[in-house]
Amino acid sequence: DGGITQSPKYLFRKEGQNVTLSCEQNLNHDAMYWYRQDPGQGLRLIYYSQIVNDFQKGDIAEGYSVSREKKESFPLTVTSAQKNPTAFYLCASSVGAGNTIYFGEGSWLTVV
Amino acid sequence: KQEVTQIPAALSVPEGENLVLNCSFTDSAIYNLQWFRQDPGKGLTSLLLIQSSQREQTSGRLNASLDKSSGRSTLYIAASQPGDSATYLCAVRLIQGAQKLVFGQGTRLTINP
Repeated sequence: DGGITQSPKYLFRKEGQNVTLSCEQNLNHDAMYWYRQDPGQGLRLIYYSQIVNDFQKGDIAEGYSVSREKKESFPLTVTSAQKNPTAFYLCASSVGAGNTIYFGEGSWLTVV
Repeated sequence: KQEVTQIPAALSVPEGENLVLNCSFTDSAIYNLQWFRQDPGKGLTSLLLIQSSQREQTSGRLNASLDKSSGRSTLYIAASQPGDSATYLCAVRLIQGAQKLVFGQGTRLTINP
């Protein structure tokens, strides 16, 4: 089945650790995105990529990093510089800017 | 700065009612508007996409309208069912920085059997 796969579903991070969230899509979409969702708030854009080997910062990129080495993959690293990383992280993709955007099932990150 | 507002934050209605969810945005310079459904602890499911040149879109019991000049969109759900219970979010795609979606905070809908 075509879709977006995020892993792991649940992840715990110790203080000072970097962690990487995986996002893979088999929809042949050019654009991919990472959003963060906090309780009581809407989704906020972390990073996006329109094409392989290119990506741009969103509204809250500080403390995060991404790569786009393959069309189907867009991993997000939450670095130790991100002071409040506990949140629900959502990966998404679309054919292009004017098209429907599709989301994965999300990853829960908790700092312990 | 584009702001998207959804009112009410929560809504509870009996099964079978027709209902309307509201979404308003401050800047009419949008590329399109999309409605999503989110079940607890899950990702978002796309419901309807309305391009800026369109007035409405329909899918089954759902109908979404767009009035760009007044900065408003509505999602109409006909003959509501308990399975419709979820959080509904709207998002606008900006013309400037066209990859960016700006989301509302959502309306949590409960359909009571």
